[in-house]
Amino acid sequence: EAQVTQNPRYLITVTGKKLTVTCSQNMNHEYMSWYRQDPGLGLRQIYYSMNVEVTDKGDVPEGYKVSRKEKRNFPLILESPSPNQTSLYFCASSSRDRGSYEQYFGPGTRLTVT
Amino acid sequence: AQSVTQLDSQVPVFEEAPVELRCNYSSSVSVYLFWYVQYPNQGLQLLLKYLSGSTLVKGINGFEAEFNKSQTSFHLRKPSVHISDTAEYFCAVSAKGAGNKLTFGGGTRVLVKP
Repeated sequence: EAQVTQNPRYLITVTGKKLTVTCSQNMNHEYMSWYRQDPGLGLRQIYYSMNVEVTDKGDVPEGYKVSRKEKRNFPLILESPSPNQTSLYFCASSSRDRGSYEQYFGPGTRLTVT
Repeated sequence: AQSVTQLDSQVPVFEEAPVELRCNYSSSVSVYLFWYVQYPNQGLQLLLKYLSGSTLVKGINGFEAEFNKSQTSFHLRKPSVHISDTAEYFCAVSAKGAGNKLTFGGGTRVLVKP
């Protein structure tokens, strides 16, 4: 089954404790992205990757890091989480086949930073 | 840069009544347009997309949307809603040729009442 998986689904942590949220897709997609969802703001792009070893900042990259060492994986790293990073996070992937860039989303990771 | 405005944050509607969700966008370049749906505690699922051609686009679950270039709008409609349509709906745009960067509106929460 074609899918995007994220782990963990729920995470409660404390300020300053480094964490990683993993994302994996099995569709051989070139593009992968991370978004955060906050009430009233919709989804905002944090980082994206156009292929292996190619990443770039989205609209809200401060406080986040990413890496793309393999095509299928795109982990999101919070080196020193703060309470304003409490949010719902989505990973997405897409292919430029047919030029549509339709994105497929993971189930989400709800992060709480206390 | 692109921006998306969803004019209604919440839309209550009775079962079997029609619903229209409004979306306006701003962009200096040509765009692709999308509507996504998010059911409670789930990720986002594509409802429909406009890439080119006919301005009336039909999607899943009986939804359709009409692209109006002069008004820069992409309103979503369904002639008769069901309880199962209760969800949050997001309008999104991506600039043609800009890779996988999606810009989302703030979302419209639809509550279908019996």
